[in-house]
Amino acid sequence: GAVVSQHPSWVICKSGTSVKIECRSLDFQATTMFWYRQFPKQSLMLMATSNEGSKATYEQGVEKDKFLINHASLTLSTLTVTSAHPEDSSFYICSASGTTQETQYFGPGTRLLVL
Amino acid sequence: GENVEQHPSTLSVQEGDSAVIKCTYSDSASNYFPWYKQELGKGPQLIIDIRSNVGEKKDQRIAVTLNKTAKHFSLHITETQPEDSAVYFCAASPDNYGQNFVFGPGTRLSVLP
Repeated sequence: GAVVSQHPSWVICKSGTSVKIECRSLDFQATTMFWYRQFPKQSLMLMATSNEGSKATYEQGVEKDKFLINHASLTLSTLTVTSAHPEDSSFYICSASGTTQETQYFGPGTRLLVL
Repeated sequence: GENVEQHPSTLSVQEGDSAVIKCTYSDSASNYFPWYKQELGKGPQLIIDIRSNVGEKKDQRIAVTLNKTAKHFSLHITETQPEDSAVYFCAASPDNYGQNFVFGPGTRLSVLP
């Protein structure tokens, strides 16, 4: 099956710093990647959708200047949380789909803790 | 826009029994319905999916049924095992390319040994 990886799996940072999370499709070309945020015991909340080589489309209420998304290649997307604050602490999950994967395959998630 | 409801929110079954989780959706244009299993601290894993041109799909102990007229679809797990314990999410999508998923709120399944 299609495999998506994320790095790092968890990160702790100080308030005010920036954190970058990588999402890679390991065995397929991901024309579209998605970034979700999940709070404890809640469902997945879509933050943004990115197509390779294009600017990301952000969901309503998601600050695009705070959550920078880059999808520079068909196998890599990055999410940078800029000037992180404690309320940004959450579980961030990426997913990917491609022309031969007519669904979304999820990465293992990245747990972010901002102190 | 699409709205997906999921019931029950929690479900406890004895090992070996069956478990059924039901989702309803509002947008008749939705035609793709995946189910994901999420274990604690991990990302969701696709376990089965169904498209609107079929009414049922089965993969070993897992099956999904779809009723487009009533706009609901269900996940059936037979002969449950402790390792089936997880949170299960359904989703609905109006396209065939993995875009525009709307997720249900999730069902926490506990299989008691």
